[in-house]
Amino acid sequence: EPEVTQTPSHQVTQMGQEVILRCVPISNHLYFYWYRQILGQKVEFLVSFYNNEISEKSEIFDDQFSVERPDGSNFTLKIRSTKLEDSAMYFCASRPQADTQYFGPGTRLTVL
Amino acid sequence: RKEVEQDPGPFNVPEGATVAFNCTYSNSASQSFFWYRQDCRKEPKLLMSVYSSGNEDGRFTAQLNRASQYISLLIRDSKLSDSATYLCVLRGQAGTALIFGKGTTLSVSS
Repeated sequence: EPEVTQTPSHQVTQMGQEVILRCVPISNHLYFYWYRQILGQKVEFLVSFYNNEISEKSEIFDDQFSVERPDGSNFTLKIRSTKLEDSAMYFCASRPQADTQYFGPGTRLTVL
Repeated sequence: RKEVEQDPGPFNVPEGATVAFNCTYSNSASQSFFWYRQDCRKEPKLLMSVYSSGNEDGRFTAQLNRASQYISLLIRDSKLSDSATYLCVLRGQAGTALIFGKGTTLSVSS
């Protein structure tokens, strides 16, 4: 069964550094998403991406964040100048035309 | 009022028990409803979509009451493997982003 994959599984970085989280969505899916989950809290929407552009973003997704689909398979989330409060699990998700979103295993980001 | 509210639990039940989770949501224009399951430090996984007429998948039954803005999940004959956090999730009127509740934790013991 096709799956969303994410790399790395765990990223440790120093405050102020830039990180890039990578995702490979399911191949025939059209819509791509990033969510985050701070430890002990609910999953929160960050951004959605369709037809090579951002279609929706939340208040969390400020100028510190950017997304890109650099080729036909990868979907990346870049966080510039990381802060301690960016420490969280970051989940990528994708979906076909239908409603159901499929989540990747996540990248645990730790900012020191 | 929070967008999606769930009783956090934990619900501690023996194997074979029937357990019910409830969820309320604030936006009456919400379009789609789901129950996801999340194991510790893992990704959310779709358990089932929730339809207005109610739907069943094996031991799991989901109900939606749009008038009361209320969703439920019933698990019959609980198994040890059902131990997880159950997330009430909806898609709002605008866009396709999912809105998550904080989840209800279930622990099934032998």
